Amino acid sequence: GESVGLHLPTLSVQEGDNSIINCAYSNSASDYFIWYKQESGKGPQFIIDIRSNMDKRQGQRVTVLLNKTVKHLSLQIAATQPGDSAVYFCAEIWRGSQGNLIFGKGTKLSVKP
Amino acid sequence: DVKVTQSSRYLVKRTGEKVFLECVQDMDHENMFWYRQDPGLGLRLIYFSYDVKMKEKGDIPEGYSVSREKKERFSLILESASTNQTSMYLCASTSGARENSPLHFGNGTRLTVT
Repeated sequence: GESVGLHLPTLSVQEGDNSIINCAYSNSASDYFIWYKQESGKGPQFIIDIRSNMDKRQGQRVTVLLNKTVKHLSLQIAATQPGDSAVYFCAEIWRGSQGNLIFGKGTKLSVKP
Repeated sequence: DVKVTQSSRYLVKRTGEKVFLECVQDMDHENMFWYRQDPGLGLRLIYFSYDVKMKEKGDIPEGYSVSREKKERFSLILESASTNQTSMYLCASTSGARENSPLHFGNGTRLTVT
């Protein structure tokens, strides 16, 4: 079965607002997590990653939070723009998986102008 | 920037045909992967390779084979295409430090089998 899941399949936000996309994982052996963005007709694009020895990591307009106690991962996008409209996937790698990612099914983010 | 190139964006093939999907990466990555992506099912791993001439089955290898004759190229082969293999196929690569390296994806090949 799949160990990475999502709280919401779709998310609609107003341009300029902050977006929060959530992800739950069930494998406590997971030690590396990645967020991907997939625009229509394109392959997944790497956004940001975080290792299990960290709680928070920031990039440009994006922040990933990792709560290992409840096995929860979130992606925060500040000042959401129309170009942020896409499907967002979380993915995990767990020790012993030979580096293969396990993907969640994705959350579709729609940005209203 | 890593570039993963899939030779075809769209393919239409007939049932029973042999189909080759080609993928090339330009970053000297050791590891390469083939996924298929279907609505409601997400990304599922078909095959992967950690080195030239090496291959490992993923979660759904049935009906597929792969070839890795050169480090930069990883081919997915459908020996006898069937309609249930209609899907988006994604190739990805990553460096040898696989525990801490994100996969870099190509833009996909949308295959339709009629």
